Amino acid sequence: DAGVTQSPTHLIKTRGQQVTLRCSPKSGHDTVSWYQQALGQGPQFIFQYYEEEERQRGNFPDRFSGHQFPNYSSELNVNALLLGDSALYLCASSSAATYNEQFFGPGTRLTVL
Amino acid sequence: DQQVKQNSPSLSVQEGRISILNCDYTNSMFDYFLWYKKYPAEGPTFLISISSIKDKNEDGRFTVFLNKSAKHLSLHIVPSQPGDSAVYFCAARRSSGGSNYKLTFGKGTLLTVNP
Repeated sequence: DAGVTQSPTHLIKTRGQQVTLRCSPKSGHDTVSWYQQALGQGPQFIFQYYEEEERQRGNFPDRFSGHQFPNYSSELNVNALLLGDSALYLCASSSAATYNEQFFGPGTRLTVL
Repeated sequence: DQQVKQNSPSLSVQEGRISILNCDYTNSMFDYFLWYKKYPAEGPTFLISISSIKDKNEDGRFTVFLNKSAKHLSLHIVPSQPGDSAVYFCAARRSSGGSNYKLTFGKGTLLTVNP
């Protein structure tokens, strides 16, 4: 049983560019959450998707947007990249029935130059 | 405003001894708490959790204690093993009020278990 997968593993972009990160949830999970982990910090909640809609959002600007597809996979888009967007982006999946437990993917390391 | 605090950035213990990792929270609406372990180049892995209706939860070598009046929880690992060396994150969640999905994390504590 594959766990949560994320692509790409690493990404280097320049300021002002746009980036798309992808996540496939664990089998049987229908909910996807995205977190940003800056160096030396804990993960910070960006937003959560359920039934193809954004269900809850953290304190992130509108430059951060997402999407969930009918197969429950998800994308995170970041526009107009800033140096401060450099971080590890983590995807976590869960099921609506057991949402207490979120399973994390390995993350995508984004570097903005 | 950091609602979940792990005040010890690092902890070093000898193999076989007890490791105690601490976590404090400020939001009294939090009612579910989790510990995650993270190795380099991997995502956080769920370890153990506790609901606010309990004060202790045990799973093998791992025990989590919750003191609601002090808004404090701790993770005990007994006996500690070198493979336990990782960053440990404390996380909290509230079950109602429209914020019941996101996890709020502390900054983590790096545990090193020396052979």
